[in-house]
Amino acid sequence: KQEVTQIPAALSVPEGENLVLNCSFTDSAIYNLQWFRQDPGKGLTSLLLIQSSQREQTSGRLNASLDKSSGRSTLYIAASQPGDSATYLCAVGVAAGNKLTFGGGTRVLVKP
Amino acid sequence: ETGVTQSPTHLIKTRGQQVTLRCSSQSGHNTVSWYQQALGQGPQFIFQYYREEENGRGNFPPRFSGLQFPNYSSELNVNALELDDSALYLCASSLEASGRTKTQYFGPGTRLLVL
Repeated sequence: KQEVTQIPAALSVPEGENLVLNCSFTDSAIYNLQWFRQDPGKGLTSLLLIQSSQREQTSGRLNASLDKSSGRSTLYIAASQPGDSATYLCAVGVAAGNKLTFGGGTRVLVKP
Repeated sequence: ETGVTQSPTHLIKTRGQQVTLRCSSQSGHNTVSWYQQALGQGPQFIFQYYREEENGRGNFPPRFSGLQFPNYSSELNVNALELDDSALYLCASSLEASGRTKTQYFGPGTRLLVL
């Protein structure tokens, strides 16, 4: 059974600092890995999707890496801003149909 | 805005009642997945529908059921509500085809409170 873990559960950084969010998964036979952002009481916004054959994806200040052999993904957010404050969730897609197994999330606070 | 809409936004029910939640997929998407997110936790996969057929189910009892319609909109039905069913219910739509999977786009969710 696939299990996804995100550590730490919460993180507080001053504005301008780079953010490093970690995600680990137990079964390397994944279809893809996706990072999401969730604001309080809201739905999920997709940030980056990494196919199983890829090693990383980049979008603006965001960069996500994937190491299937070690069961890890890292999301980097450069030069954090207060607007980056949110909960970040990683999810692995298993099998065709991309059924997602989520981690518990990392709650990020960027202080001005 | 993802183009995925859900209704209602909030709902209060009492234990034992039944509830129907609705989801309208993004245009062109043929797959819808439903997730339950308890407070402070990550979403849990309930089930997925592809072209009106159930295409996988998570660890949820049969009182959780669903439908997908020809226009690819979807319903989630929960019978005999329990207090633990209180959660944010999210639907996500995507385009599944041979080859690479496209990103799943989530709706804003329906917050269900069972008293």
